[in-house]
Amino acid sequence: GDSVTQMEGPVTLSEEAFLTINCTYTATGYPSLFWYVQYPGEGLQLLLKATKADDKGSNKGFEATYRKETTSFHLEKGSVQVSDSAVYFCALSQKTSYDKVIFGPGTSLSVIP
Amino acid sequence: NAGVTQTPKFQVLKTGQSMTLQCAQDMNHNSMYWYRQDPGMGLRLIYYSASEGTTDKGEVPNGYNVSRLNKREFSLRLESAAPSQTSVYFCASSNGRGEDFGAGTRLSVL
Repeated sequence: GDSVTQMEGPVTLSEEAFLTINCTYTATGYPSLFWYVQYPGEGLQLLLKATKADDKGSNKGFEATYRKETTSFHLEKGSVQVSDSAVYFCALSQKTSYDKVIFGPGTSLSVIP
Repeated sequence: NAGVTQTPKFQVLKTGQSMTLQCAQDMNHNSMYWYRQDPGMGLRLIYYSASEGTTDKGEVPNGYNVSRLNKREFSLRLESAAPSQTSVYFCASSNGRGEDFGAGTRLSVL
């Protein structure tokens, strides 16, 4: 079945460092890909998405490019802030009647001043 | 526009007690979902509803029941709570462009 794999955390970075969180997926066809963010004590929020190959999703300085050839959707940010400390989930969704999203295990990011 | 609203936010139960977690969305989404989130296990789908009047099992349905009362509301019921059901529960809804999540219910079963 479809699945999502993310790099193991936790990840600890200094403020203004470059961030990459790796995500790869296994799926038939052409799923939509997502990154969600969960801040402490809150629910998940959609951060960005891409719906077809070579699409780039971007939001709040974060970017991810849908790479069909490597089945990847790595999350990047050029300069992280303390406020970016959260858990990041990579996810995919197939176009079915119920649009169910399959989540990766999440990667915890801590940014220190 | 409240998005996805879950109640209660916190709950403590004794083993064997029952309770219902409520979820409502005001975005006119067709699909709704219940997840549980446990440390080191990410999110696991309990049940989902593709549309009003339909429900289907997800990855971990045992010990739970759901009701899609109408398009807005999707409730999760624990008939006889067990300590293994201690978790954070999230409701979500979708229009096919990603899911919107509620703030979660922290449930402890003693």
